Amino acid sequence: DTAVSQTPKYLVTQMGNDKSIKCEQNLGHDTMYWYKQDSKKFLKIMFSYNNKELIINETVPNRFSPKSPDKAHLNLHINSLELGDSAVYFCASSQGMGNTEAFFGQGTRLTVV
Amino acid sequence: DQQVKQNSPSLSVQEGRISILNCDYTNSMFDYFLWYKKYPAEGPTFLISISSIKDKNEDGRFTVFLNKSAKHLSLHIVPSQPGDSAVYFCAATSSGYSTLTFGKGTMLLVSP
Repeated sequence: DTAVSQTPKYLVTQMGNDKSIKCEQNLGHDTMYWYKQDSKKFLKIMFSYNNKELIINETVPNRFSPKSPDKAHLNLHINSLELGDSAVYFCASSQGMGNTEAFFGQGTRLTVV
Repeated sequence: DQQVKQNSPSLSVQEGRISILNCDYTNSMFDYFLWYKKYPAEGPTFLISISSIKDKNEDGRFTVFLNKSAKHLSLHIVPSQPGDSAVYFCAATSSGYSTLTFGKGTMLLVSP
């Protein structure tokens, strides 16, 4: 039973399109995240939500809009996709914030053509 | 500005030997450190962590050492097994900040 699951696993789309990535965790955690792994392999935080409230937005373009309908879900909607958005996006969750480990989903490889 | 650095992109080790993966950090506010393991096409999996109040934490074949004065930590895997072949990410955080700052990763290859 997958703890953090994200769909789809692969997404190929054209420039200018709008797409969404869904994430669900069944760990009962109160904090969820979106990370981006770019072509240089760095894993960087994009957003952090705690109890459905946005805590951190790390200078991500406003074309990216996270939505957390409840504590178990954090979806990522991307408008007007650009070539540079191609990356692997990871959802993660943790219990609390600060010094604790995060549990990651399997990733969504987004390719913009 | 890389606050967490893993300067070795890859490491090759023979089965049964020790693997030592290194990580350096620059931010003095970091007080909690983690190692993650990642297989291709999967998400990172938590491996082991250490708080800055300790200098060593051990879990089975995995031991993490922290040298705060040098801002350096290392992950020791002994004995190494072929199934350990993966990319290992070092990460750091602080009690006042909720997210993890990752290094670029080190690919470990353990050959039989």
